Amino acid sequence: SQQGEEDPQALSIQEGENATMNCSYKTSINNLQWYRQNSGRGLVHLILIRSNEREKHSGRLRVTLDTSKKSSSLLITASRAADTASYFCARDMDTGRRALTFGSGTRLQVQP
Amino acid sequence: EPEVTQTPSHQVTQMGQEVILRCVPISNHLYFYWYRQILGQKVEFLVSFYNNEISEKSEIFDDQFSVERPDGSNFTLKIRSTKLEDSAMYFCASSETWSQVLENTIYFGEGSWLTVV
Repeated sequence: SQQGEEDPQALSIQEGENATMNCSYKTSINNLQWYRQNSGRGLVHLILIRSNEREKHSGRLRVTLDTSKKSSSLLITASRAADTASYFCARDMDTGRRALTFGSGTRLQVQP
Repeated sequence: EPEVTQTPSHQVTQMGQEVILRCVPISNHLYFYWYRQILGQKVEFLVSFYNNEISEKSEIFDDQFSVERPDGSNFTLKIRSTKLEDSAMYFCASSETWSQVLENTIYFGEGSWLTVV
């Protein structure tokens, strides 16, 4: 598959703990975007990291990108119950295509 | 904060009927997209639209589907003769630009649930 996958598929943690989700892909990218989706709701853009960046922060979110390993990680620090959602990475492939390619996502459950 | 808005939020339609899903992209954006997510599955790209024409489409976007920007603000997805397997959440999205060197943040709407019965 050209799309890669996120892991883990599901993650359950206690409030206050950190959550780390990983994303792998197989072809070169222009950038990689992380989205959040509450059950049955829309996709909320969290953060974009370019292929020439290695790390990016936004509030409690930290995203890393390792293009040599074709992988990215999303870290949510000091998680809250409200962080419960599915998290997706979407690759903007370096193929001239404008389409984002989504993975299957990680379902995060934060227990209060 | 500007957002992509979609209507209806949920539509139930009979198999074989035509459906039009509507979207208002973010006002200064130039690129528009439709994606869909069948329940429990991945988000899939359908089509991108720029300068009043389709710039790219996936294999899912067959002759059953069409898109249109009828005026300066709306962007629509039409599904002719709906099938049971068209049941999905349809997301509209927009971006200010698309470039291999610039950031192309794509903003999604809340989605339109389509149920074909």
